[in-house]
Amino acid sequence: GEKVEQHESTLSVREGDSAVINCTYTDTASSYFPWYKQEAGKSLHFVIDIRSNVDRKQSQRLTVLLDKKAKRFSLHITATQPEDSAIYFCAASADSNYQLIWGSGTKLIIKP
Amino acid sequence: GALVYQYPRRTICKSGTSMRMECQAVGFQATSVAWYRQSPQKTFELIALSTVNSAIKYEQNFTQEKFPISHPNLSFSSMTVLNAYLEDRGLYLCGAREGTYEQYFGPGTRLTVL
Repeated sequence: GEKVEQHESTLSVREGDSAVINCTYTDTASSYFPWYKQEAGKSLHFVIDIRSNVDRKQSQRLTVLLDKKAKRFSLHITATQPEDSAIYFCAASADSNYQLIWGSGTKLIIKP
Repeated sequence: GALVYQYPRRTICKSGTSMRMECQAVGFQATSVAWYRQSPQKTFELIALSTVNSAIKYEQNFTQEKFPISHPNLSFSSMTVLNAYLEDRGLYLCGAREGTYEQYFGPGTRLTVL
């Protein structure tokens, strides 16, 4: 079946540095790529998304890049802060399909 | 704004009993509702996806007989965990979407089985 892979299970960066979390997908029909954040003991919160009609989207310190040829997308967080510490999940879905296929999550640790 | 409520937030049930959890979408039309489980041992698992006017699609390892779901309208869904056992413990999340827009998550129902 279709898969989304999140390659880093844990990522540790110093406060103030940038963090990059990468995902790959298998379904060429995928057109929607959201990112979610889950803090300890809490539910998932939407962070940012990108659709396949663009290859870059920025919102403040967050940027998502999409490489459709490589079937890869990534979340870039600049000037990291302690409150960025969380598990980040990527997902993908096709326009015709309501189901999101999820990555396994990347635990981002921001070191002081 | 768009919100998803889930209740109860926490529940404890005895092994072999059942419990029902609810999910309510406010501020948008929940044309699809996905139920997930996050357990200590496993990652985030999709249980089933319910789309209004379509059959509910269960993932492998999850069945309608064990996790019956109702999605009667564009704002409400419920799921029951029948005959709960220890392995059913975890955080049950409801994610609702309007069309192919972002999926909004509720705070979850944390199930403890004694």
